[in-house]
Amino acid sequence: AQSVTQLDSHVSVSEGTPVLLRCNYSSSYSPSLFWYVQHPNKGLQLLLKYTSAATLVKGINGFEAEFKKSETSFHLTKPSAHMSDAAEYFCVVTLPWRGKLIFGQGTTLQVKP
Amino acid sequence: NAGVTQTPKFQVLKTGQSMTLQCAQDMNHNSMYWYRQDPGMGLRLIYYSASEGTTDKGEVPNGYNVSRLNKREFSLRLESAAPSQTSVYFCASSEGPLQGARIGTEAFFGQGTRLTVV
Repeated sequence: AQSVTQLDSHVSVSEGTPVLLRCNYSSSYSPSLFWYVQHPNKGLQLLLKYTSAATLVKGINGFEAEFKKSETSFHLTKPSAHMSDAAEYFCVVTLPWRGKLIFGQGTTLQVKP
Repeated sequence: NAGVTQTPKFQVLKTGQSMTLQCAQDMNHNSMYWYRQDPGMGLRLIYYSASEGTTDKGEVPNGYNVSRLNKREFSLRLESAAPSQTSVYFCASSEGPLQGARIGTEAFFGQGTRLTVV
């Protein structure tokens, strides 16, 4: 079975400080991993994806994530938070031949001025 | 570029009423999905359609039915709405597994339908 766990339901940072959103996955096969962002009352937007080409993945808006197979982790980071980063973030795992997305529970990022 | 379009955006139903949520995509994707989003639970898959003519149950299918009308459209029906179905519903589409098992297939989401059952 495959699943994904986001370790923090809520993260609060000050503007200009680093962001770390943690995600662990379990999968019997090599997964594809994604981070999606959802701003209030909006749909979901893809931030970045890991597809085995490179372990460090760069996404939009300065976000990046590192795939660590030994730790079964795919943490999302950003060097300097911006007020516009306040949103809910979802870590997602999928198997290509299944074509289904399995979502983590979500992490709400709060950015304080 | 429309992407994935859902209608309606908001709906209030009385317990026992029925309704259909509509979803259409213009990206020529094979696979389409319906999710519900509830606080603290992420998105849970209700039904999905890997390709035109096929549908399968997801994690939480009870109380719902779906129809893959054609390649573009995938509707979700609530036959007898219950307060437990109050949620935000998202439709999504992706190229899906039939495109040569391409890895890294991402999903594109609609803006959501906020449904309240009273």
